[in-house]
Amino acid sequence: GESVGLHLPTLSVQEGDNSIINCAYSNSASDYFIWYKQESGKGPQFIIDIRSNMDKRQGQRVTVLLNKTVKHLSLQIAATQPGDSAVYFCAENSLVRDDKIIFGKGTRLHILP
Amino acid sequence: DVKVTQSSRYLVKRTGEKVFLECVQDMDHENMFWYRQDPGLGLRLIYFSYDVKMKEKGDIPEGYSVSREKKERFSLILESASTNQTSMYLCASSFPPSGGARETQYFGPGTRLLVL
Repeated sequence: GESVGLHLPTLSVQEGDNSIINCAYSNSASDYFIWYKQESGKGPQFIIDIRSNMDKRQGQRVTVLLNKTVKHLSLQIAATQPGDSAVYFCAENSLVRDDKIIFGKGTRLHILP
Repeated sequence: DVKVTQSSRYLVKRTGEKVFLECVQDMDHENMFWYRQDPGLGLRLIYFSYDVKMKEKGDIPEGYSVSREKKERFSLILESASTNQTSMYLCASSFPPSGGARETQYFGPGTRLLVL
């Protein structure tokens, strides 16, 4: 997992390019995954989710890919815009953990003009 | 649209004070959660509630208590604030899982608490 704040992994992307943010999860029993976006000074905002019986799901400008073999999740943002600047973090849910969601620590997306 | 509101965006309190953080959701969600978010540590679950009058400890309940008297309202209480409770506090709510569906948590805007 990644650290947040001072040690937050940062991805810098040119405006208009596509962004790919990655997340590794550790529990093979996890069967539901969510991506959140958190802008500075605000609470996390739901972006997109995916269940373990799928390997890809598309939303508006966003795509989530799930690779259960290597326990890897990614969020792709098409045509990145200045408003996409935020911390993005994944979350996983599993009955093994009494259905409590486990959050990753996040990646900061920085948009270059 | 789900709306989760928190009573304050910023709070400054002194060590030893009793602090109340209020959270209200308008979507009739059964589940409500309190987290704190700190650099390097991410989101940590303090307490959660699956129904009125019910509460469950999360991962870091020490120094906190909660109250759920009404379905839409979940309060976090710092009995005697300490400097190590300076943090961003986030409230969330969700429907319970049903029919194989998993819960998606919806967050409030957060309360940034500074304890001096």
